[in-house]
Amino acid sequence: GESVGLHLPTLSVQEGDNSIINCAYSNSASDYFIWYKQESGKGPQFIIDIRSNMDKRQGQRVTVLLNKTVKHLSLQIAATQPGDSAVYFCAEAKAAGNKLTFGGGTRVLVKP
Amino acid sequence: DVKVTQSSRYLVKRTGEKVFLECVQDMDHENMFWYRQDPGLGLRLIYFSYDVKMKEKGDIPEGYSVSREKKERFSLILESASTNQTSMYLCASSSSGQGADEQYFGPGTRLTVT
Repeated sequence: GESVGLHLPTLSVQEGDNSIINCAYSNSASDYFIWYKQESGKGPQFIIDIRSNMDKRQGQRVTVLLNKTVKHLSLQIAATQPGDSAVYFCAEAKAAGNKLTFGGGTRVLVKP
Repeated sequence: DVKVTQSSRYLVKRTGEKVFLECVQDMDHENMFWYRQDPGLGLRLIYFSYDVKMKEKGDIPEGYSVSREKKERFSLILESASTNQTSMYLCASSSSGQGADEQYFGPGTRLTVT
């Protein structure tokens, strides 16, 4: 069945270092992938997305990599800051419709 | 900016009560969604709606119903609340335009059923 999962439930990162959050998906028919950030007491906020016809996309301090061969998605955060401490979710969607399937989330803790 | 608001941040209800969770978005979005969020399980889709008076079941619809009488408002109803419905409930909306798959989330309602 389709599933989206994360390898590490908690990631501790030193301030200034780069963070890498990984996500595995099982549905090869998924066309769209998205990363959300959820801070304590808030709803998830969009970070970056990527479609299946791309393998890399960059935003401000963030990069998403998509490896369709091994069905793997990652989010890289450059120069991690205290404000990056949050739970990060990956999600996938099929080409038709707008229904997202979310992974379980990874908590990122930034150490000063 | 897109704004999705939810009627309550915290709610405590008794077992068997009927519970209404309201969600309003101000961006004229066609699509609206209700999720519940539980530790270690991520976000699970309960119901969604692509248009007024239209609804579709998500992954875990049992014990819930929804109502969408107006485009901007999507209500989640627990007909008879049970303790296993204690959770964080998140509403989201999105446009149905091409490439507009990003969902905008509200702040969530933490519901406790005692």
